[in-house]
Amino acid sequence: GEDVEQSLFLSVREGDSSVINCTYTDSSSTYLYWYKQEPGAGLQLLTYIFSNMDMKQDQRLTVLLNKKDKHLSLRIADTQTGDSAIYFCAESRDTGFQKLVFGTGTRLLVSP
Amino acid sequence: KAGVTQTPRYLIKTRGQQVTLSCSPISGHRSVSWYQQTPGQGLQFLFEYFSETQRNKGNFPGRFSGRQFSNSRSEMNVSTLELGDSALYLCASSLDSMGNTEAFFGQGTRLTVV
Repeated sequence: GEDVEQSLFLSVREGDSSVINCTYTDSSSTYLYWYKQEPGAGLQLLTYIFSNMDMKQDQRLTVLLNKKDKHLSLRIADTQTGDSAIYFCAESRDTGFQKLVFGTGTRLLVSP
Repeated sequence: KAGVTQTPRYLIKTRGQQVTLSCSPISGHRSVSWYQQTPGQGLQFLFEYFSETQRNKGNFPGRFSGRQFSNSRSEMNVSTLELGDSALYLCASSLDSMGNTEAFFGQGTRLTVV
């Protein structure tokens, strides 16, 4: 199946860490992505991880991948109010064309 | 380097009309894919073009079509518009057609059908 699941909502206080979770069903996924969408805007690519990796760190962002459980997470350290947005995970399969299957999106609200 | 450019940003059309949306990819990128975003269905894949060829199509009716030009710019067309076609249409640009490179999105075209 193509379902990619995310929790709908996460609320944190400024300065805390945020962890956004994602589960996917297709074990053939090769790349997994995290995108950010602010109101009225398109999708901003935050980071991605190849399926043979367990972890990737990029400044305040840490991606963890548990391939056995098909679980992906995005940790944002020192969350700021500017991080408030909807976060989408997406999977891509190495099928010869660029098709992303997106999760439902997690709305992150950061309060001062 | 310029990002992905979509035009127009906003569009209002009447039921039964047709509409054409445009996407200019990042310079040097040859793959363009299109997505529809609605509150009810989320982000759904429409189709992908590479070197002027449609490589794959999502589960949308034939009213949705597209094409890609030799300069990699792409257009999508929706004919006989329905109210349910109201959505944010996003295009993504990537270097090649393999699913192993980064896809960069434009700001989208918000289509409202009345």
